[in-house]
Amino acid sequence: KNQVEQSPQSLIILEGKNCTLQCNYTVSPFSNLRWYKQDTGRGPVSLTIMTFSENTKSNGRYTATLDADTKQSSLHITASQLSDSASYICVVSARNDYKLSFGAGTTVTVRA
Amino acid sequence: DTGVSQDPRHKITKRGQNVTFRCDPISEHNRLYWYRQTLGQGPEFLTYFQNEAQLEKSRLLSDRFSAERPKGSFSTLEIQRTEQGDSAMYLCASSSSRDGLLNSNQPQHFGDGTRLSIL
Repeated sequence: KNQVEQSPQSLIILEGKNCTLQCNYTVSPFSNLRWYKQDTGRGPVSLTIMTFSENTKSNGRYTATLDADTKQSSLHITASQLSDSASYICVVSARNDYKLSFGAGTTVTVRA
Repeated sequence: DTGVSQDPRHKITKRGQNVTFRCDPISEHNRLYWYRQTLGQGPEFLTYFQNEAQLEKSRLLSDRFSAERPKGSFSTLEIQRTEQGDSAMYLCASSSSRDGLLNSNQPQHFGDGTRLSIL
């Protein structure tokens, strides 16, 4: 079973609207959590990284939250733009392990 | 451009042929990773190098797969006797571990991948 589960699998939103993506994980012991954006046909690009002590982190219109107690994270996209159409992947690291655990991603489609 | 570079971007070949991909990491990065990604899934770990040493290979990496990083800089991934199930995007990533931690908070920087299609 994958240690990182994302929801929804996909969503469609209108340009200018907000959306929130969810990530639940079971990776332990927890080290950090990253959100990556992957455009079609491109490699993933890091958006945010949060460690155990961080609850929220922003990168422009992207805001990530982390609840290490419930092992949940969210990525909020504000005032979506057409260029936000991509797959968003939640990635979790365990302490003392260089390997990353990847979610399957949420595919976001922004329509005009 | 000083990002991770992968070559070729696309490769189409017949079943049974051998293919080789190249990855040039960010120059100061000592760690290099190979991943495989299929449609609708996140990347799956294949193998990891620290400098020129290959420290781990996933069970996904059958004996038809071999990876090298001879001088601790660029890396190659070779697939011999390709099968249709090998069709996927092969991603390379690099990171720095200057802080000496096994698990560093430095992000992995990904290349744009090589998309392999087996006919």
